[in-house]
Amino acid sequence: GDSVTQMEGPVTLSEEAFLTINCTYTATGYPSLFWYVQYPGEGLQLLLKATKADDKGSNKGFEATYRKETTSFHLEKGSVQVSDSAVYFCALALMFSGGYNKLIFGAGTRLAVHP
Amino acid sequence: NAGVTQTPKFQVLKTGQSMTLQCAQDMNHEYMSWYRQDPGMGLRLIHYSVGAGITDQGEVPNGYNVSRSTTEDFPLRLLSAAPSQTSVYFCASSYSGRGLETQYFGPGTRLLVL
Repeated sequence: GDSVTQMEGPVTLSEEAFLTINCTYTATGYPSLFWYVQYPGEGLQLLLKATKADDKGSNKGFEATYRKETTSFHLEKGSVQVSDSAVYFCALALMFSGGYNKLIFGAGTRLAVHP
Repeated sequence: NAGVTQTPKFQVLKTGQSMTLQCAQDMNHEYMSWYRQDPGMGLRLIHYSVGAGITDQGEVPNGYNVSRSTTEDFPLRLLSAAPSQTSVYFCASSYSGRGLETQYFGPGTRLLVL
């Protein structure tokens, strides 16, 4: 079935380090791909998205490229800050009955950035 | 504009008790949904609604009921709580549920069933 696999956390980095969080997916058809972020005590927020192969989503210094050949959507940031500490969720969207979108999430990866 | 709000933030129940998790949005969104999040697993869709008076089952609906009498509110009911329902519950909404709309999530309700 359709699924999303993320690297297990927690990921612990020093400020200004390079971040990669791996995400791979299995899906029938051509899904859209998303990264959501959850800051402590808050709901999930959309971080970035990509709708087709080779698209690059970007926001707040984060980037991810939709790689159809490797079924991956890895999240990267060149220099993390303490304020980036959060849980990051990779997700895909597929159409289901009635033309509505269903989101399928990965398990989430906790990132802790230390000064 | 409060976005998506959920109450309570945390609840402890005994097996067999019933309760309602509240969800409200003030963005006039037609599409609302409930997810649960369990350790080591992604969020899984419980129920969703595409408008007032219209609801349908998601991936894991057993043990949960929903109704949608207004556009703003989408409560989730546990009729007889079981330990397997210990989880974190998220409510989400979007304008229509179609296309690449952004889904807006509430802060979650943490439920512990003893």
